[in-house]
Amino acid sequence: ELKVEQNPLFLSMQEGKNYTIYCNYSTTSDRLYWYRQDPGKSLESLFVLLSNGAVKQEGRLMASLDTKARLSTLHITAAVHDLSATYFCALLRGTYKYIFGTGTRLKVLA
Amino acid sequence: NAGVTQTPKFQVLKTGQSMTLQCAQDMNHEYMSWYRQDPGMGLRLIHYSVGAGITDQGEVPNGYNVSRSTTEDFPLRLLSAAPSQTSVYFCASRPGTGGHEQYFGPGTRLTVT
Repeated sequence: ELKVEQNPLFLSMQEGKNYTIYCNYSTTSDRLYWYRQDPGKSLESLFVLLSNGAVKQEGRLMASLDTKARLSTLHITAAVHDLSATYFCALLRGTYKYIFGTGTRLKVLA
Repeated sequence: NAGVTQTPKFQVLKTGQSMTLQCAQDMNHEYMSWYRQDPGMGLRLIHYSVGAGITDQGEVPNGYNVSRSTTEDFPLRLLSAAPSQTSVYFCASRPGTGGHEQYFGPGTRLTVT
């Protein structure tokens, strides 16, 4: 059974601290996506990682993909309150089927 | 562009009732999909379509029907609603068959009593 596991599921961190969210998956794929969801809102695309070793950065967020380890990471640098949200990784299985992780709920405390 | 739109935003149904959730996109995307989001389970793919007249099942298709008569519209039908279908439903689209990200609609919150 294909699994996409995120950890931690919940993360409470102080402003200014660094942390990493992990996304492990159980099948080969070289297409991995990160989304952000604010409470009661839709999903917003953050990063598209399309090959082994891909690294993307936007502001305080950096995502990477290691297809050999079947692992993607979302690194948060010097967190600010505005980053509080739920973060999802999603794997593209084949051409059309996306499998989402369960999400990581991040709360950044002032 | 309006992007991906969904109606209604909220809906309450009684068990056994039927209804259609509407989804439309104005980006000329070939690929459209429906997900349900339940607490602690992320998003699960219900059905998807790769173009007008072409649909296929996702991870949790039972109890739902779809059709795609135009590029723009991809409605999701609940034939006989059950409490287990209480969820938030998202429609999404993306261009073609490349590695593009999906663009999500605002969601429909459905409660079945």
